Amino acid sequence: ETGVTQSPTHLIKTRGQQVTLRCSSQSGHNTVSWYQQALGQGPQFIFQYYREEENGRGNFPPRFSGLQFPNYSSELNVNALELDDSALYLCASGDRGRGYTFGSGTRLTVV
Amino acid sequence: QQQVKQSPQSLIVQKGGIPIINCAYENTAFDYFPWYQQFPGKGPALLIAIRPDVSEKKEGRFTISFNKSAKQFSLHIMDSQPGDSATYFCAATVSSNTGKLIFGQGTTLQVKP
Repeated sequence: ETGVTQSPTHLIKTRGQQVTLRCSSQSGHNTVSWYQQALGQGPQFIFQYYREEENGRGNFPPRFSGLQFPNYSSELNVNALELDDSALYLCASGDRGRGYTFGSGTRLTVV
Repeated sequence: QQQVKQSPQSLIVQKGGIPIINCAYENTAFDYFPWYQQFPGKGPALLIAIRPDVSEKKEGRFTISFNKSAKQFSLHIMDSQPGDSATYFCAATVSSNTGKLIFGQGTTLQVKP
């Protein structure tokens, strides 16, 4: 176990729906980053949260949003799902300046 | 300027061979270069990382070589084993925020027994 837990592991949604993915980080890690990994590609940075505030965003539209909570858990919300949103979504927790630990991800399929 | 280019896309070696995976970056602000290993159905796991003040770093059977002037770095796996069969990703970022990684496209390694 990596200490970073993501739920659910798999999810199927219909185009246009909304989805919430969850991540439980290691205690003491004040930063969480979310990534999207399309099949056969490297992970792409979506955004990062530091002490419950968004702290950097990649090239993703506003329908991708997030939250970080005081208990080190976080959420990734995606509105108006599109077929191209089908991917593995990864969260990673750590401290800035050091290595980050990834969870096993949530496999989202949009049909 | 934010890209990290990784090659080859796939690699097959015999057990005991030394696979080499190469990466190149453009952004000179990058100063933290990790390598991740990913097995099917799992998230990436940090293998080894290097900063540009050294040209080589070894951890067990894994070695990173770094060429700052060429903006290139590579991973060597010594005495490769079938259990090393996985997808490997290089990444780059600034050390002040190592949670914002720019990943390469990945290399799928198969080590034959």
